[in-house]
Amino acid sequence: AQSVTQLGSHVSVSEGALVLLRCNYSSSVPPYLFWYVQYPNQGLQLLLKYTTGATLVKGINGFEAEFKKSETSFHLTKPSAHMSDAAEYFCAVTRGEGNKLTFGTGTQLKVEL
Amino acid sequence: NAGVTQTPKFQVLKTGQSMTLQCAQDMNHEYMSWYRQDPGMGLRLIHYSVGAGITDQGEVPNGYNVSRSTTEDFPLRLLSAAPSQTSVYFCASSSTGMITEAFFGQGTRLTVV
Repeated sequence: AQSVTQLGSHVSVSEGALVLLRCNYSSSVPPYLFWYVQYPNQGLQLLLKYTTGATLVKGINGFEAEFKKSETSFHLTKPSAHMSDAAEYFCAVTRGEGNKLTFGTGTQLKVEL
Repeated sequence: NAGVTQTPKFQVLKTGQSMTLQCAQDMNHEYMSWYRQDPGMGLRLIHYSVGAGITDQGEVPNGYNVSRSTTEDFPLRLLSAAPSQTSVYFCASSSTGMITEAFFGQGTRLTVV
């Protein structure tokens, strides 16, 4: 069975500070990994994904994530937080079967002035 | 470009009532899925479909039925609503081939009293 663990259900950063949201995966086969963002009262939007190839993945809105097999991690980072980044972020994994996704429990990001 | 459309956006049901949550996509995607989102639990897969006429169970299928008679539509039926089914429901679709982005609807907020 595959799963993802997101450390920290709530993260608070100052505007302009580094954003680091943690995700560790457990999978018996090479995983495909995703980060999604959910703004209030909206559906989920893809930030970035890792399938194969380059381990540093760049996404939308200045976010990036690095796939580290040795650490079974796929942490999401952004060098400088903006107020508009306040949202809930979900890490997800799939093995590709019908694109079924297994989600983490989510991390609520708060950005303060 | 409508993408994934879910109706209704809000619904209140009494225990024991039945209803159908509608989901339609206009992107000609083969894969469609239903998830429920509960606080602190992320999104969990209810049912999914890899094409018209083909459906399968996800992680939490009990109390829900699905069918897929066309590529565009994937309705979710609650047979006899229970308070435990109070949740936000999301429909998603994606294309086949290499791991592709899942597009999500805006969600249906269901309350069972």
